[in-house]
Amino acid sequence: EADIYQTPRYLVIGTGKKITLECSQTMGHDKMYWYQQDPGMELHLIHYSYGVNSTEKGDLSSESTVSRIRTEHFPLTLESARPSHTSQYLCASSDLTRGPDTQYFGPGTRLTVL
Amino acid sequence: GDSVTQMEGPVTLSEEAFLTINCTYTATGYPSLFWYVQYPGEGLQLLLKATKADDKGSNKGFEATYRKETTSFHLEKGSVQVSDSAVYFCALSDRRSSNTGKLIFGQGTTLQVKP
Repeated sequence: EADIYQTPRYLVIGTGKKITLECSQTMGHDKMYWYQQDPGMELHLIHYSYGVNSTEKGDLSSESTVSRIRTEHFPLTLESARPSHTSQYLCASSDLTRGPDTQYFGPGTRLTVL
Repeated sequence: GDSVTQMEGPVTLSEEAFLTINCTYTATGYPSLFWYVQYPGEGLQLLLKATKADDKGSNKGFEATYRKETTSFHLEKGSVQVSDSAVYFCALSDRRSSNTGKLIFGQGTTLQVKP
């Protein structure tokens, strides 16, 4: 059973607020990912990290930013939330020593920006 | 570039019916193939995987065979239950990008099983 956590699970916030979505994993995985999931359920990779102090932008352009100061922690920040940011955000991690490319997902954060 | 295409949903079945969800892929390398499942209100869980041609992945009564000749990885189950209602994602990882661990996902197929 994978141990990856996301908080909060649900967030309703007004336009212009700064928010941080938390993601933590206790498995010591080097690689971590953030996905945005649209209402049609399709997943879009928005950020990933190879390890500490490594961050890369994903396939879908996003106004969010991420940081990776510790192996277990990969927070995502929106400096000024807008209604277009309303979505489900999924965090994942992987470790190639546990089998090729298997990603383990957190439960997600459902963000609504009013 | 690499891509994954799944059959469109929703797929609606009666309990104990046979399930097939089609998945085809395009890749220039030798990908690993995966099926993930997402239950309502949850994140994705790995359902099964296959890493080379002719491999069969299986779990919880679900099966999928890696068919290189047809570039397919169709998901099957002989008898579905109401508890199988979820969204199913097919995905691939190209070994050329294996250092990143990145996956390419299909668009997801919603399965609804009625009692």
